[in-house]
Amino acid sequence: AQSVTQLGSHVSVSEGALVLLRCNYSSSVPPYLFWYVQYPNQGLQLLLKYTSAATLVKGINGFEAEFKKSETSFHLTKPSAHMSDAAEYFCAVSPRNYGGATNKLIFGTGTLLAVQP
Amino acid sequence: KAGVTQTPRYLIKTRGQQVTLSCSPISGHRSVSWYQQTPGQGLQFLFEYFSETQRNKGNFPGRFSGRQFSNSRSEMNVSTLELGDSALYLCASSYGASGANVLTFGAGSRLTVL
Repeated sequence: AQSVTQLGSHVSVSEGALVLLRCNYSSSVPPYLFWYVQYPNQGLQLLLKYTSAATLVKGINGFEAEFKKSETSFHLTKPSAHMSDAAEYFCAVSPRNYGGATNKLIFGTGTLLAVQP
Repeated sequence: KAGVTQTPRYLIKTRGQQVTLSCSPISGHRSVSWYQQTPGQGLQFLFEYFSETQRNKGNFPGRFSGRQFSNSRSEMNVSTLELGDSALYLCASSYGASGANVLTFGAGSRLTVL
């Protein structure tokens, strides 16, 4: 069965430091991959998605992620953290090998990012 | 354009009661999905509708049900509420249902069961 693993339930960085949030997926066929962000008391907002075009995907707010098939990874990075980046981040997959069309997402357990001044 | 609207935003119920949550998708979107978010289980897929047909269902008991209307608005119902049903219920909409579609989420309905 498809699964997503996010290493590190809590990550703390200093303002201006590199942000690296890790995501690995398990699938024999590369799935569609997404990163979503959730701010307190809000729904999920899409940061970026990978659907088999360029392996380096640029998203909103300066975030980007690189799809590495050999490592089954899709880590999220941002060169310089800002206080407003403090939120919970979710990696998600939409498997390609479903029998029919579906938007079903399988989410990782999330990583809570804290940004220290 | 307006986003995904979920009502009510907050509600409190007691065990044994039932609840109905509503979701109005973005205009033109035909696919609506529902997710349950809890601290213990994280985000779990409940069901997905496309043009009034249930396309997919998650691993939840039959107490959880849903439907989609001809205007794409969707409702989910939970009967015989249990304490463990306390959660944030998120609705998401998209235009198509190909897997590569981006889901736009609403702010959620936070259900507390006492």
